[in-house]
Amino acid sequence: DIQMTQSPSTLSASVGDRVTITCRPSQSISDWMAWYQQKPGKAPRLLMYKASVLESGVPSRFSGSGSGTLFTLTISSLQPDDFATYYCQQYNSFGGGTKVEIK
Amino acid sequence: QITLKESGPTLVKPTQTLTLTCTFSGFSLSTSGVGVAWIRQPPGKALECLALIYWDDDKRYKTSLQSRLTIFKDTPKHQVVLTMTNVGPEDTATYFCAHLPTRTTGDAFDIWGQGTMVTVSS
Repeated sequence: DIQMTQSPSTLSASVGDRVTITCRPSQSISDWMAWYQQKPGKAPRLLMYKASVLESGVPSRFSGSGSGTLFTLTISSLQPDDFATYYCQQYNSFGGGTKVEIK
Repeated sequence: QITLKESGPTLVKPTQTLTLTCTFSGFSLSTSGVGVAWIRQPPGKALECLALIYWDDDKRYKTSLQSRLTIFKDTPKHQVVLTMTNVGPEDTATYFCAHLPTRTTGDAFDIWGQGTMVTVSS
């Protein structure tokens, strides 16, 4: 199984900040990367797939980029609803998660 | 509209076999390109994909757990079942099932069930 190294594990930020989360697969995965948002007690929500394709209904402040062994999820201007935990995923491997907290 | 719902015991004793059922609607597991996955999340920890099953009955398991896992589908009943043998306290988690439309999202799970919490304790 591919290992997904996600960083940082915790991120403190303020409303309006630009936030970037990184995911590094242990081997090249082309652009087969997805990103999810999860809030406490809820199922994850798909945000992005194929590295940069925004899922329907997801705000445009979310963007994804990367290929091979380095990927990023960026929130251009953090909103109150964005404080949550984010996971990267490829096939059957998930990253360890990044908790975005209020600064 | 696609929905999935997990069901199964909330409490299981160590060494027992856990059986979980995912009942879905809004899609068919006989449609080319479609899959269903079982994913779990121990309290306060990250997501972990346990098993996937595809429309053509191809099955994939998490390498470290594959000796304990079995996934199968009952297409007419719109169900996917996961069994896990010889459970221990480390298997305490919320278990989710999720829809995998490979022809559109590739490897990404677009719709998830609400999850079911399973506790392993004597």
